[in-house]
Amino acid sequence: ETVLTQSPATLSLSPGERATLSCRASQSVSSHLAWYQQKAGQAPRLLIYDASNRASGTPARFSGSGSGTDFTLTISNLEPEDLAVYYCQQRSNCPWTFGQGTKVEIK
Amino acid sequence: QVQLRQWGAGLLKPSETLSLTCAVYGGSFSGYYWTWIRQPPGKGLEWIGEINHHGSTNYNPSLKSRVTISVDTTKNQFSLKLSSVTAADTAIYFCVRGWEAATAQDVWGKGTTVTVSS
Repeated sequence: ETVLTQSPATLSLSPGERATLSCRASQSVSSHLAWYQQKAGQAPRLLIYDASNRASGTPARFSGSGSGTDFTLTISNLEPEDLAVYYCQQRSNCPWTFGQGTKVEIK
Repeated sequence: QVQLRQWGAGLLKPSETLSLTCAVYGGSFSGYYWTWIRQPPGKGLEWIGEINHHGSTNYNPSLKSRVTISVDTTKNQFSLKLSSVTAADTAIYFCVRGWEAATAQDVWGKGTTVTVSS
């Protein structure tokens, strides 16, 4: 199974700062990777699909990059509402798997 | 706007069968795959399996022996059955729409909390 390792586990930043979240795959997933945001008590929400495409309604401050085994989700100009856990997911090698999540805290 | 509404029993005893159904409102059933994902309390997300509108299924090997996902296209519904549940199956279960042509699961149900306890 393809293991997705997300780092850091927790990121604590101030509003206006840039957040850089990493997702590393144990084998290539090409560009078959998505990013999700999950706020407390809610279902996850799709942010980025196919590694770098913003989903409908995703603010422009969210961007995704990478291919193969190394991926990055960048949140530029962090806002208080970005407090959440962020998950990556691959759909290249069955079973489809998720990373363990990165929690973004706002100082 | 597409919505997923899910329902099913929230409290089970060990060895019973979990049964959840998800109805799709406001959108086409074809061209997507329909997925079940779960999240144990305080933990991450686990893909359980998926089905397309033709009824072709794909399951997580770790659960495959106990899982059945089915679809009723006449009602725009899909269902999950998980047999022989244990406490380890306690989780929030989400039904989700995924795109066949991209890595994207864009519409999520609100989730059903399932607790397995004797």
